Amino acid sequence: NAGVTQTPKFQVLKTGQSMTLQCAQDMNHEYMSWYRQDPGMGLRLIHYSVGAGITDQGEVPNGYNVSRSTTEDFPLRLLSAAPSQTSVYFCASQRVWTGGQPQHFGDGTRLSIL
Amino acid sequence: AQKVTQAQTEISVVEKEDVTLDCVYETRDTTYYLFWYKQPPSGELVFLIRRNSFDEQNEISGRYSWNFQKSTSSFNFTITASQVVDSAVYFCALKGEETSGSRLTFGEGTQLTVNP
Repeated sequence: NAGVTQTPKFQVLKTGQSMTLQCAQDMNHEYMSWYRQDPGMGLRLIHYSVGAGITDQGEVPNGYNVSRSTTEDFPLRLLSAAPSQTSVYFCASQRVWTGGQPQHFGDGTRLSIL
Repeated sequence: AQKVTQAQTEISVVEKEDVTLDCVYETRDTTYYLFWYKQPPSGELVFLIRRNSFDEQNEISGRYSWNFQKSTSSFNFTITASQVVDSAVYFCALKGEETSGSRLTFGEGTQLTVNP
């Protein structure tokens, strides 16, 4: 099992560019989410999905879009990159959205916006 | 709203010392789950433990132990006889079942450095 796979691992963008961070899981998990990690701030929830076709905003959704057309994939789109979006991005999945199952995390995408 | 506070930003110890990482949480939910994750220098997030709000039993796993106290809203993590490989950022996280839906809230993390 690959678990949660994120691509790319590293990316440098110019201000104003758009891009999509890919996330795929092969565990048939209902719940998927995106976090950003910034120094001294822990992980903050960007968007999440409790199942295919259902998405919702987290704590810091501005500047990001998501969609969930399949159970496996949950891409994160930066519409117009800004330096404030320089961060490490983690995708996570969980078997079902209720209960206390731990989330499984991908290895992260380190994104720099110049 | 739910909140997790890890007041210790950085801790530095010498190998074989015991060290406790503090975690204080806030939630209005009666059913909730607490987690600890480890982030080693390589960057991945590793799940360590989960506790639910109805189970206040302390847990020990090798050199690791966790002390959950609802009376003080704390879920502290102790490493006994620390080793250099324990050097990492440790995150405490909270998921409330009733008012917070499926959202997992993380603390700011504690950077633990174990020196040889």
